[in-house]
Amino acid sequence: AQRVTQPEKLLSVFKGAPVELKCNYSYSGSPELFWYVQYSRQRLQLLLRHISRESIKGFTADLNKGETSFHLKKPFAQEEDSAMYYCALSGRAGKSTFGDGTTLTVKP
Amino acid sequence: DTGVSQDPRHKITKRGQNVTFRCDPISEHNRLYWYRQTLGQGPEFLTYFQNEAQLEKSRLLSDRFSAERPKGSFSTLEIQRTEQGDSAMYLCASSLDRQGIADTQYFGPGTRLTVL
Repeated sequence: AQRVTQPEKLLSVFKGAPVELKCNYSYSGSPELFWYVQYSRQRLQLLLRHISRESIKGFTADLNKGETSFHLKKPFAQEEDSAMYYCALSGRAGKSTFGDGTTLTVKP
Repeated sequence: DTGVSQDPRHKITKRGQNVTFRCDPISEHNRLYWYRQTLGQGPEFLTYFQNEAQLEKSRLLSDRFSAERPKGSFSTLEIQRTEQGDSAMYLCASSLDRQGIADTQYFGPGTRLTVL
């Protein structure tokens, strides 16, 4: 069974502080992992995916197969980072499973 | 191409009525997904298509739900005999599947269903 857990519903940091959004997954195979973001009044959109190993808007995420985690990190949070963040897993069969999301608030 | 579109954006219906939603994916995308999202939850997988073939359907999806993608382009999701518990945001997404590798999903704006 596929499962994605985001343990924090809400996360609040001050501008310039580091931020880490946690994601743990359960999957018996090699998953494809993604972070999606939803800004206020906008549609869900991709932030980054583990296979591309790139940094988007200063965010990075490393797949840790031993800990089955894919935490999202940014060293210096900005106010425009305030949004809802979803971790998602796609299995070989094509089914996608999303976590319940973390609302990030970056305070000035 | 302006991205994935969904119609209608909002639907209010009475319990027991049937409703149908439409999704138009990005034109070259061969995969199309339907999700349901309720307040405080992430998108919940309902079903997906590879071209016109429906490849997987969630066990959570009751027999009142049916989806089609007749020509491998747009898709419809129909809910028969709606119940108040069907009230949710219904999201559509599309992606380009290359050699079985899951690719980025592009989401539509969603259809918000309210069942009275």
